[in-house]
Amino acid sequence: AQSVAQPEDQVNVAEGNPLTVKCTYSVSGNPYLFWYVQYPNRGLQFLLKYITGDNLVKGSYGFEAEFNKSQTSFHLKKPSALVSDSALYFCAVRALYNFNKFYFGSGTKLNVKP
Amino acid sequence: AAGVIQSPRHLIKEKRETATLKCYPIPRHDTVYWYQQGPGQDPQFLISFYEKMQSDKGSIPDRFSAQQFSDYHSELNMSSLELGDSALYFCASSFKSGGGELFFGEGSRLTVL
Repeated sequence: AQSVAQPEDQVNVAEGNPLTVKCTYSVSGNPYLFWYVQYPNRGLQFLLKYITGDNLVKGSYGFEAEFNKSQTSFHLKKPSALVSDSALYFCAVRALYNFNKFYFGSGTKLNVKP
Repeated sequence: AAGVIQSPRHLIKEKRETATLKCYPIPRHDTVYWYQQGPGQDPQFLISFYEKMQSDKGSIPDRFSAQQFSDYHSELNMSSLELGDSALYFCASSFKSGGGELFFGEGSRLTVL
């Protein structure tokens, strides 16, 4: 069965510091991995994805994520956090063999303090 | 660029009433998904359509039904509304042969009183 885990309900960082939001996944076969951001009362916005190729994926707003197959992780990172990055972040996975299924993690609230 | 359009954005209903939510996917996208998001929760998959046929079903109550029409827009019909149905309902679309990501609408907030 496919699943995604985001072990932290909340991450607090100071503006200008690097941030990491963690995600681990469980899927049979090769995964498609995604990060989305959600601002209050808004839809989910696509940030980046990993399908194949380079393990370090760059996305929107300066975010990047590193795919680690041995650790089944896909952590979201940003070298220097902004207050405007404060939002809810969701990791998601879909399996190549069952492309209709799209599984979300429970979400991590990122708080960036000035 | 065109995005996923959902209407209405806000809806207030009484218990046992019926509600209909509409979704207009991005042009040329062939797959539509419906999700329900309760307060402080992750989106829960309800149902999906590929080329106007139901492709998968999640935790959609029997009181809910959905369809996709010939112009690819989709409607989620909810009957015998309960207080617990109060949530944000998201529609998302994708192109099955595309990069795999879903594109979400801004959501319809349903409040059941």
